[in-house]
Amino acid sequence: DAGVTQSPTHLIKTRGQQVTLRCSPKSGHDTVSWYQQALGQGPQFIFQYYEEEERQRGNFPDRFSGHQFPNYSSELNVNALLLGDSALYLCASSLVPTGTEAFFGQGTRLTVV
Amino acid sequence: KQEVTQIPAALSVPEGENLVLNCSFTDSAIYNLQWFRQDPGKGLTSLLLIQSSQREQTSGRLNASLDKSSGRSTLYIAASQPGDSATYLCAVRRSNSGYALNFGKGTSLLVTP
Repeated sequence: DAGVTQSPTHLIKTRGQQVTLRCSPKSGHDTVSWYQQALGQGPQFIFQYYEEEERQRGNFPDRFSGHQFPNYSSELNVNALLLGDSALYLCASSLVPTGTEAFFGQGTRLTVV
Repeated sequence: KQEVTQIPAALSVPEGENLVLNCSFTDSAIYNLQWFRQDPGKGLTSLLLIQSSQREQTSGRLNASLDKSSGRSTLYIAASQPGDSATYLCAVRRSNSGYALNFGKGTSLLVTP
């Protein structure tokens, strides 16, 4: 049973560029959430997708956007990258938004130079 | 706003010791609480999930307890091993905030042989 998979593993981008990160949820899961984890900090909630709609959003600017596809996979897009966007981006999946255990992928390490 | 605090920030113990990691949260209206393990630069591995109606959960050498009224959870690790060395994160899902997990900053554990 495949767990949550994220791609790519590592990414280096230049300030001002745009980036797309991808996530495939654990088999049987229909809800995907994205988190940003800065070095030495706990993960911070970006947003959650369920039934192809953004259901809740954390305190992140509109430069951060996402999408969920009919197969439940999801993308995180970040426009106009800033140095401060450098972080580990984590995807989590669960079955329905609230009720069950969240499983995380291995993350995408984004470095903005 | 839900604040999650983990104490201590770092802990070093000799192999074989039993240890306790602490997590406190400010809003007792939680849906569930989850403990995770994170190895350096990696994603999160779910260890235990405690629903708000439960008092504790056990998995192997791990035992997590939950006291909602006092806003506290503890993770007990029995007979620690060098392989337990990692960062342990506590995350709370509030019952009235929708879907986001609120994380603490974690406890960095080092178990020495």
